[in-house]
Amino acid sequence: GDSVTQMEGPVTLSEEAFLTINCTYTATGYPSLFWYVQYPGEGLQLLLKATKADDKGSNKGFEATYRKETTSFHLEKGSVQVSDSAVYFCALISDSWGKLQFGAGTQVVVTP
Amino acid sequence: DTGVSQNPRHKITKRGQNVTFRCDPISEHNRLYWYRQTLGQGPEFLTYFQNEAQLEKSRLLSDRFSAERPKGSFSTLEIQRTEQGDSAMYLCASSLSGGTGLYEQYFGPGTRLTVT
Repeated sequence: GDSVTQMEGPVTLSEEAFLTINCTYTATGYPSLFWYVQYPGEGLQLLLKATKADDKGSNKGFEATYRKETTSFHLEKGSVQVSDSAVYFCALISDSWGKLQFGAGTQVVVTP
Repeated sequence: DTGVSQNPRHKITKRGQNVTFRCDPISEHNRLYWYRQTLGQGPEFLTYFQNEAQLEKSRLLSDRFSAERPKGSFSTLEIQRTEQGDSAMYLCASSLSGGTGLYEQYFGPGTRLTVT
């Protein structure tokens, strides 16, 4: 079946550091790929998405590129802020009903 | 648009009791999803409604679980004879549908269930 694997956390960074969270997937066909973020005490929010190979999703300084050849969708941000501290989930949709399949999540802690 | 709401936010129950959760989606959204999230894991799909029709159920949804969406508006998720393994955060999400596009799922804050 379909699955998403992402790097384990917590990832601890200093403010203004570069962030990368690795995500790889296994799916039949051509899934759409997503990054969701969960800030402390809040619900899941869509951060960015990409629906086909080589698409780049971007939002709030975060970027991720859909790499079909490596089945990856790594999340990057060039300069993190304390407010980026959250849990980040990589996810995919491979059916027509929009059922999301999530990775286990990666906690990111940014210190001043 | 007040977003997706879920009630209650927290529920503590004793093993063997029945519990019911409610989800109110964004009013114009015709798709509604239930997910379950345990500590340290990502959400797992439970079931999906298109309007009032329940179109898919995960194998995670045992016969103790039932979900409804009467009139295609709010939805309820009932767990009968709760077990300690049912302790989790239950998330509801809603979205539009139509055309060939993928529409964003908006998540509610979740109901945290603790079975003692």
